[in-house]
Amino acid sequence: AQTVTQSQPEMSVQEAETVTLSCTYDTSESNYYLFWYKQPPSRQMILVIRQEAYKQQNATENRFSVNFQKAAKSFSLKISDSQLGDTAMYFCAFMTGNQFYFGTGTSLTVIP
Amino acid sequence: EAQVTQNPRYLITVTGKKLTVTCSQNMNHEYMSWYRQDPGLGLRQIYYSMNVEVTDKGDVPEGYKVSRKEKRNFPLILESPSPNQTSLYFCASSGTSGGNQETQYFGPGTRLLVL
Repeated sequence: AQTVTQSQPEMSVQEAETVTLSCTYDTSESNYYLFWYKQPPSRQMILVIRQEAYKQQNATENRFSVNFQKAAKSFSLKISDSQLGDTAMYFCAFMTGNQFYFGTGTSLTVIP
Repeated sequence: EAQVTQNPRYLITVTGKKLTVTCSQNMNHEYMSWYRQDPGLGLRQIYYSMNVEVTDKGDVPEGYKVSRKEKRNFPLILESPSPNQTSLYFCASSGTSGGNQETQYFGPGTRLLVL
C-alpha cells in the first residue's frame, strides 16, 4: 500500500524566517513523482514544487526548496523568508502507477 | 486562460437523489481525476482517467461513477448520495510529455452537503 505521512498537523513561523515541513512516504515502486501543494483559505490547490524520483538534485522554486532523501523515503519542504501569504495548508503528495496519494496536510501560520 | 472548471461550486441535496458534478478542462490534457477532501484525511482519489473511454478506480470509488466520453469532460456521478459523501470535491487534469507526468491542475472545488 502507498502511504504519505505528514507528522506535523500545525506549524507556525515568524515572518521572514525559515520553516521546514516534513513528509515521509512508503512505496515499493521505483518510479514516481513527488509534490507539495498549497491550499490557502480559498481552498484552491496550488502546486508549490515537484520532484521526479529519478533525479538526485533537489528541486527549487524561488523561496521553496525540498530535501529529497530517496533511501529514507523523505521529502521535506523548506520555505525561506516566510511571507504572510504563505499561510495555508500544505499537502505532500506522490504519484505512481497513474494514481496520486496525498498526506493529511500541515497547517502553516506565518506570524507578523 | 488554461483552467479546470467545475459545476456546481456548492450543492445541497437529499439522500438518494442522483446528482452529477461536471468537470471540464481546456488544456487538451489526457489525464483527469476526481478527489474528495475531508478534515483530517487530506485528499483521496476517487477515480481517474488516462484518456477517452479509459477510467480506473482510485482509493475510494464506492458510491461514485464517472465517464470519459470526450477528452475535455470528466463528470462525477453520485447515483444515490448518502450523508457520508458530504465533502469537498476536486477535479484535476494533467498532460504527459515523453511518458512523464506533467503538473496537475486543480479545479476550484465543489462543496457537497447531503442531508
